[in-house]
Amino acid sequence: NAGVTQTPKFQVLKTGQSMTLQCAQDMNHNSMYWYRQDPGMGLRLIYYSASEGTTDKGEVPNGYNVSRLNKREFSLRLESAAPSQTSVYFCASNGPGQHSYQETQYFGPGTRLLVL
Amino acid sequence: SQQGEEDPQALSIQEGENATMNCSYKTSINNLQWYRQNSGRGLVHLILIRSNEREKHSGRLRVTLDTSKKSSSLLITASRAADTASYFCATGVYGNNRLAFGKGNQVVVIP
Repeated sequence: NAGVTQTPKFQVLKTGQSMTLQCAQDMNHNSMYWYRQDPGMGLRLIYYSASEGTTDKGEVPNGYNVSRLNKREFSLRLESAAPSQTSVYFCASNGPGQHSYQETQYFGPGTRLLVL
Repeated sequence: SQQGEEDPQALSIQEGENATMNCSYKTSINNLQWYRQNSGRGLVHLILIRSNEREKHSGRLRVTLDTSKKSSSLLITASRAADTASYFCATGVYGNNRLAFGKGNQVVVIP
């Protein structure tokens, strides 16, 4: 199993450009999450999807949109990137596993985004 | 808002020593989890303790939870250079699968 995968790994954008961050999981998890991580701020939840077909705002949703394309995939879109969106973005999923709890989250490797 | 708050923020120890870090939270929780993040990588789950548990062990990890003080501690015994990482606590509440993460503790283990 690949677990949680994210693409791209790195991206540089100019202010105002748009892009979509892709995330996929192969663990048959119902819930998926997008976080951003900034120095000294820990992880902040942007959006999450409790199940296929549902999405909800997290702590810092402004400037982002999401799509839960199917059970495996959850994408994050920046319609008009701003320098304040320079960050590391992590996708995560959760659900029961052979050696884990329902509440355990599994993280992707992250996407490092720089907005100039 | 951030639920977990770790203390101290940075810790530097010699290999073989124990490392202890604390986490406090503000509201009622269902569970508290600790995650590790190696530099440039995603977070990896270490251990989960439920609100009705007081102590839990996993290998060299020991977690305690004091719900009356709304605090938890993570102890790593006999630390190794490979334990160098950031450690985050995260709290889960009843009714949803969201987690609130703290700001993290950076631990450096000197060989």
